[in-house]
Amino acid sequence: DVKVTQSSRYLVKRTGEKVFLECVQDMDHENMFWYRQDPGLGLRLIYFSYDVKMKEKGDIPEGYSVSREKKERFSLILESASTNQTSMYLCASSPWRATANEQFFGPGTRLTVL
Amino acid sequence: AQTVTQSQPEMSVQEAETVTLSCTYDTSESDYYLFWYKQPPSRQMILVIRQEAYKQQNATENRFSVNFQKAAKSFSLKISDSQLGDAAMYFCAYSRNNNDMRFGAGTRLTVKP
Repeated sequence: DVKVTQSSRYLVKRTGEKVFLECVQDMDHENMFWYRQDPGLGLRLIYFSYDVKMKEKGDIPEGYSVSREKKERFSLILESASTNQTSMYLCASSPWRATANEQFFGPGTRLTVL
Repeated sequence: AQTVTQSQPEMSVQEAETVTLSCTYDTSESDYYLFWYKQPPSRQMILVIRQEAYKQQNATENRFSVNFQKAAKSFSLKISDSQLGDAAMYFCAYSRNNNDMRFGAGTRLTVKP
């Protein structure tokens, strides 16, 4: 089974702190994604990566950055956390194919910024 | 941009009964994929069913089936013989390529015993 893990299930940070959310997948997938999930808005893509050191902005990249130094690991960074970044963050991965694929999701990190 | 609309924020069903969750989408493409994902409370999101737009036959996975109406851009999920374990948030999603998946706002399904 594909396994996608995230470093924390719950996280509480203070405004202005630098926050790191880590995601690891064990299926050698090329693609990795970071989403934000908010009630009534569904999932919105923050960033994705299709290869090591490669990244592309999604729909809501402002206030976030990412890092992919190894194929299995994709990190989301909040440079200076703000209260409007309180949300559920979901990581996902998928293999690269020419057609659209199922994405495999991690358990999520519920981040609260005070 | 492609959008996905789930018009039912919440639905409930009696155990063993059938329920249908609605989803519509907007696209000018002819070739794409549609998905239903399930997110149980405090658990990981998993794929329920997938439909390829070029296939006319509706996808089926055990008690889960879809009604895919391409011209109407509609993709509903039918859950038959509902079980308590079906209680979850359900997301409809559209994807055109490998890197772009669009999700609806979700429908929270409650199953009453």
